[in-house]
Amino acid sequence: QKEVEQNSGPLSVPEGAIASLNCTYSDRGSQSFFWYRQYSGKSPELIMSIYSNGDKEDGRFTAQLNKASQYVSLLIRDSQPSDSATYLCAVGAVGTGTASKLTFGTGTRLQVTL
Amino acid sequence: DAGVTQSPTHLIKTRGQQVTLRCSPKSGHDTVSWYQQALGQGPQFIFQYYEEEERQRGNFPDRFSGHQFPNYSSELNVNALLLGDSALYLCASSLGLAGGPQFFGPGTRLTVL
Repeated sequence: QKEVEQNSGPLSVPEGAIASLNCTYSDRGSQSFFWYRQYSGKSPELIMSIYSNGDKEDGRFTAQLNKASQYVSLLIRDSQPSDSATYLCAVGAVGTGTASKLTFGTGTRLQVTL
Repeated sequence: DAGVTQSPTHLIKTRGQQVTLRCSPKSGHDTVSWYQQALGQGPQFIFQYYEEEERQRGNFPDRFSGHQFPNYSSELNVNALLLGDSALYLCASSLGLAGGPQFFGPGTRLTVL
């Protein structure tokens, strides 16, 4: 079983619609959760971080976390063609005296169509 | 506010050679993590440096080594290069060990022929 799982897509949504991206993780000790956007040939760009159960909104983006279900999601409202990219879910765990490493899913490719 | 910088941007090496990649963290950050991203995959954690010490290591062989300098910049060294080492190498910086967000540099694209 993969530690962080995402549907590879592509997920195709029309311009102006809501895109819903999902991620599940296996380590119940995980404490930090991040969504990164990666355009083709570029490095990942942090767009959302969430640490506690519930929703966190930032502009058109909403991250949702449910630790009991080990599930993280990202909603993108009013999707734009410029949102077309691969979205990476990353999960972090901090141990006593050690640093936090991020474990990434393989990413979901989002295509926003005109 | 200076972001994370990496050098070089691209590198071509042959099997068996050695390579050194460099990273300067974002201003105010003191922790550097290195990741390897193969085509079509998510980044894989190599190791993390804090206070000039390797604090955690992923599932990579000893051919991969690193260093952190007093100014928080870092190097990644790979010895005895294999074809499978061809990938995008990403440096990420963060603050301390509390598990806060990591910010990535532009990456170094390594091609091993």
